[in-house]
Amino acid sequence: DTEVTQTPKHLVMGMTNKKSLKCEQHMGHRAMYWYKQKAKKPPELMFVYSYEKLSINESVPSRFSPECPNSSLLNLHLHALQPEDSALYLCASSPKGLAGNTDTQYFGPGTRLTVL
Amino acid sequence: AQSVTQLGSHVSVSEGALVLLRCNYSSSVPPYLFWYVQYPNQGLQLLLKYTTGATLVKGINGFEAEFKKSETSFHLTKPSAHMSDAAEYFCAVTPKIQGAQKLVFGQGTRLTINP
Repeated sequence: DTEVTQTPKHLVMGMTNKKSLKCEQHMGHRAMYWYKQKAKKPPELMFVYSYEKLSINESVPSRFSPECPNSSLLNLHLHALQPEDSALYLCASSPKGLAGNTDTQYFGPGTRLTVL
Repeated sequence: AQSVTQLGSHVSVSEGALVLLRCNYSSSVPPYLFWYVQYPNQGLQLLLKYTTGATLVKGINGFEAEFKKSETSFHLTKPSAHMSDAAEYFCAVTPKIQGAQKLVFGQGTRLTINP
């Protein structure tokens, strides 16, 4: 099973809402990632968790709050977002933690977020 | 800092024709190299990667790429295009530094297949 699942597939929220994106993998991977992808652009790394600890934060605004409750789950909590935060949010996982820079990252299908 | 350049934001070929998507990297030390494909409304899927060893790498769906250190290139090819190959293709690198998990992506190349 090489699947990363993400829920919901689509999300529309207002600027005052609080919502969460969920990512799950059951491949025993120890690194999990959040990316943001705007239309016609490559994915931009937001956060990396390695062995359930936040190891990389790419200076993401605090209105995005990641959480890794266990090795299989990754959440992204959203609060007070702006319309420019509308994008496809991709989750990925890879087998190793910090030592895995040759690893394949396995991507989920993404959550398409629209902020009104 | 690592950077990746994909020449041509849009490539169009006829079905059955050769596909060539270009990727060059800038780094004093050759990085690890990846090609990903993204179909519409989907996530990214790994086509192939080069870490060490043989410089000609074969991937899924009939794609292959050759690492050329002297040219700092990792171009993606497929001998005969199929309609199902229409997608966005991203070249990406990670540096050969322990603890560096950051994929650096090129800007992407949209491949269109003409019937």
